[in-house]
Amino acid sequence: RKEVEQDPGPFNVPEGATVAFNCTYSNSASQSFFWYRQDCRKEPKLLMSVYSSGNEDGRFTAQLNRASQYISLLIRDSKLSDSATYLCVVHSGSARQLTFGSGTQLTVLP
Amino acid sequence: EAGVAQSPRYKIIEKRQSVAFWCNPISGHATLYWYQQILGQGPKLLIQFQNNGVVDDSQLPKDRFSAERLKGVDSTLKIQPAKLEDSAVYLCASSSINEQFFGPGTRLTVL
Repeated sequence: RKEVEQDPGPFNVPEGATVAFNCTYSNSASQSFFWYRQDCRKEPKLLMSVYSSGNEDGRFTAQLNRASQYISLLIRDSKLSDSATYLCVVHSGSARQLTFGSGTQLTVLP
Repeated sequence: EAGVAQSPRYKIIEKRQSVAFWCNPISGHATLYWYQQILGQGPKLLIQFQNNGVVDDSQLPKDRFSAERLKGVDSTLKIQPAKLEDSAVYLCASSSINEQFFGPGTRLTVL
């Protein structure tokens, strides 16, 4: 079983749609959780951290369920510029190592 | 603030040849990482440095890959000899306390 699993997609949605991505992780001792965004042929960039209480940043909402070892990302009112691959990332261990999922590809269509 | 610098951006070599990649992290970042990202996959950690010491190299194929970080700043990653399956983007990242910042990567094609 992979440490971090994501639905690879692709997700093709119209502008203005709401889309949700899910992610599960296998290490129950994982400490921190993130969503990174990676544009085509570019490097990953931090989108947002994920907190147990859930957190929101504009149109983006992240949720964490430690009991189920499950992380989600909700994007409301999708924009063309949201088209990218979204990477679920888990931080485990004292060495501050990040483990990346394979990513979920999103294309927002006009 | 200048970001993580990497060179070259692209490299094409034949199998069994050698190749080296260079990374200059963000000034003041003590931790430096090398990742391998194969097409369609997420980045996979190869090696992590704290200053000039290795913290974790458990996923580095040590029979062909080597990395160093002399003086705790710049780092080089070498592959010798390269195999077809080494074709990937090699990403360097450095971190402050809470966030890793990635360089643009080196896209390696092994023919």
